[in-house]
Amino acid sequence: AQSVAQPEDQVNVAEGNPLTVKCTYSVSGNPYLFWYVQYPNRGLQFLLKYITGDNLVKGSYGFEAEFNKSQTSFHLKKPSALVSDSALYFCAVRDMNYGQNFVFGPGTRLSVLP
Amino acid sequence: NAGVTQTPKFQVLKTGQSMTLQCAQDMNHNSMYWYRQDPGMGLRLIYYSASEGTTDKGEVPNGYNVSRLNKREFSLRLESAAPSQTSVYFCASIRQGYEAFFGQGTRLTVV
Repeated sequence: AQSVAQPEDQVNVAEGNPLTVKCTYSVSGNPYLFWYVQYPNRGLQFLLKYITGDNLVKGSYGFEAEFNKSQTSFHLKKPSALVSDSALYFCAVRDMNYGQNFVFGPGTRLSVLP
Repeated sequence: NAGVTQTPKFQVLKTGQSMTLQCAQDMNHNSMYWYRQDPGMGLRLIYYSASEGTTDKGEVPNGYNVSRLNKREFSLRLESAAPSQTSVYFCASIRQGYEAFFGQGTRLTVV
């Protein structure tokens, strides 16, 4: 079965510093990987995805993610964090067993401190 | 551009009461999904509908039923609510092979 791990419950970073939110996955076959962000009292918003191609994927709001097949990782990054980036971040993988459903990690809360 | 619309946004039920959560999407997507979100557990799939006229169980279907009324609408019903069903519920629709689009959620409390 597909699974996703996000090893950090919370990440704190100072505004202007680079940020990394970690994700590792376990899939059978080729991974379809996604990052979503959730702001308070809102639904999840799509940030970026990796299906195939370049290992460095660029997404919304200046975020990018690096796919590493040998380490089965898909870490989310941003060169310079903003206070407005503070939110809950979910890594997800498509699960072909449940109608191409998404399997989500537990989430990482990012706090960007001014 | 409404996307995915869920109603209601908030609901408080007494144990044993029933209710239906409504979801509609205007993006002409075939696949629709119901998730529940609990702290520290991410989102877990309750039921999904890969196309109009079909529904299937997900990871945590017990205590729930669904109806895919047409291509746009996918409802979730709690027949006899229990405190363990206190959660935030999200509906999503998915473009084949691409990302999911989520509603804003329904915060349900069962007392």
